[in-house]
Amino acid sequence: QLVQSGPEVKKPGASVKVSCKASGYTFASSYIAWVRQAPGQGLEWLGCVSPNSGLTDYAQRVQDRITLTGHTSTKTAYMELRSLRSDDTAVYYCARGWRQDSFDTWGQGTQVTVSS
Amino acid sequence: QSALTQPASVSGSPGQSITLSCSGASIDFADSKYVSWYQQHPGRAPKLMISDVTTRPSGVSTRFSGSKSGNMAYLTISGLQAEDEATYYCTSYTDRTVVFGGGTKLTVL
Repeated sequence: QLVQSGPEVKKPGASVKVSCKASGYTFASSYIAWVRQAPGQGLEWLGCVSPNSGLTDYAQRVQDRITLTGHTSTKTAYMELRSLRSDDTAVYYCARGWRQDSFDTWGQGTQVTVSS
Repeated sequence: QSALTQPASVSGSPGQSITLSCSGASIDFADSKYVSWYQQHPGRAPKLMISDVTTRPSGVSTRFSGSKSGNMAYLTISGLQAEDEATYYCTSYTDRTVVFGGGTKLTVL
């Protein structure tokens, strides 16, 4: 199970940090990906982190503004997105994968709204 | 990485079989064995239906099957049911990056 933190409202230029707490499986053995969905739009992969090694991969579109981390001691992954813009308004999902290519368990989603 | 193209919408009647398509322009997609399909109902998180082109995760109905030929991937749903009405997304993984298709909204008439 993956449980995400609550909704956020931020002003343009601010940062947001969303958490994703895992339970019921060996967190260190998995990957955690982050995917977002803007209102009425499709899914967009943002990146992936290996909590065990700290290895990260990022989508080119956000790679200069995003940091993904995973803490095996607390079984919690984090996504931080900086320099927020209005088009970052979306539901952000964390998802578990046993490899980096597919994700079999998803969090409930976190609404992030960027508005002045 | 190139985009994946899916038709915006398809429709079918209960009991019918329907095939959703996903087209990738790059040779990486044509060679890729890492194609997945997700189902998403409105307001819900996505659900993995197929991975590795053809592998159905535990708990996913056997009515769902995946295939691939060249630069086209397919998700076939047999015995269409009302609960299958959802948006379906294909993905491809190459060069340490996941790309989502634009999604196909399936309507069950």
